[in-house]
Amino acid sequence: DTAVSQTPKYLVTQMGNDKSIKCEQNLGHDTMYWYKQDSKKFLKIMFSYNNKELIINETVPNRFSPKSPDKAHLNLHINSLELGDSAVYFCASSPSSTTTNEKLFFGSGTQLSVL
Amino acid sequence: QKEVEQNSGPLSVPEGAIASLNCTYSDRVSQSFFWYRQYSGKSPELIMSIYSNGDKEDGRFTAQLNKASQYVSLLIRDSQPSDSATYLCAVNMGGSQGNLIFGKGTKLSVKP
Repeated sequence: DTAVSQTPKYLVTQMGNDKSIKCEQNLGHDTMYWYKQDSKKFLKIMFSYNNKELIINETVPNRFSPKSPDKAHLNLHINSLELGDSAVYFCASSPSSTTTNEKLFFGSGTQLSVL
Repeated sequence: QKEVEQNSGPLSVPEGAIASLNCTYSDRVSQSFFWYRQYSGKSPELIMSIYSNGDKEDGRFTAQLNKASQYVSLLIRDSQPSDSATYLCAVNMGGSQGNLIFGKGTKLSVKP
């Protein structure tokens, strides 16, 4: 079984559309994240949730809204998509948000292309 | 602004050689340091972590940390073509696990 799974793997859409990316982890971890990796491979955190509670919300447009129905799921909804949103979005999880030494487990990524 | 700097490469080494990857970070209070490997089109995977000054060895990989110089490196001995990937340095600059700042990565190419 895949530890951190996200869908879809590829997402091609027009500017102005609204889309969602889903993420689920079956590791029993408390903390989940969304990272964005741009065309230059720069990986940057967007959001972090610990047990359904938002703990990190970096400077991202309000068009991006994470939702965590339970600690095993963290979905990302994007409104009014723009060309600059094209990137690979990675979901990740870790056992805890309070321990700095723990590794991140990444999903396989969602390649978003906005046309 | 808290930053993690890496030479983007590409770094090209012959098979069997030692590959040396370097990383500097800006925040002196940083506590945890990680090296992730990312193959093209794949997700990052953790290969080494280091928390105290000195060397840490795991198989062909050695991580080196010098907090005074704010410098962390990764050595890959007996490099193999399968080591060809982008190596991301990540630094936890205090606080929660989510404060993991990634460098832009160094692309390594090991030539047979």
